[in-house]
Amino acid sequence: EIVMTQSPATLSVSPGEGATLSCRASQNIASNLVWYLQRPGQPLRRLVFHASSRSADIPARFTGSGSGTEYTLTITSLQSEDFGIYYCQQYKDWPLTFGGGTKVEIK
Amino acid sequence: VQLLESGGEWVQPGGSLRLSCGVSGFPFRDTGMTWARQAPGKGLEWVSGISKSGDETYYADSVKGRVTISRDSSKNTLYLEINSLRAEDTGLYYCAKGWKYPDSWGQGTLVIVSS
Repeated sequence: EIVMTQSPATLSVSPGEGATLSCRASQNIASNLVWYLQRPGQPLRRLVFHASSRSADIPARFTGSGSGTEYTLTITSLQSEDFGIYYCQQYKDWPLTFGGGTKVEIK
Repeated sequence: VQLLESGGEWVQPGGSLRLSCGVSGFPFRDTGMTWARQAPGKGLEWVSGISKSGDETYYADSVKGRVTISRDSSKNTLYLEINSLRAEDTGLYYCAKGWKYPDSWGQGTLVIVSS
């Protein structure tokens, strides 16, 4: 199966600052990557799919990029609702697999 | 879009459970679906996916042979049957709309496997 590795495990950011999250696949996933945000008590929220396509109602401060095995989610000017755990997931091959997550916390 | 999981409970090791996910707000029969889970304090784990017709199903290696995903379009309901339950199956089980990059998720139903 394809192994997804996210870094860093934890990111401490002040509101208004930017953040860059990384996701690496163990083999080429050809941009078949989705990013999610998990917040306590809320359903998982899809942010980006196809590596760089923003989901409906997702603010422009979220930008997905990357190709091959290396992917990035960039968040500019973090708002209070952006703090939580971010997961990447590949859908190139079955079984689908998630990364271990990056926790973005308030500094 | 609404997804409501149910069926989670405490069960002894070796037991079985059938989880359900009732959906509304979208054409269920035209949509592939997903189950994922999350152990307490851990990250997300994809468990299973089923095509819109139900003729294609896929499973995580950790559950293959013990889990069956199915759907009933007449009831707008997705199912996950888990047999030979183990302690490591403990967690919140989520259903989701879509089978490769789901766009909507439920709140989950809790399964506890313990003697």
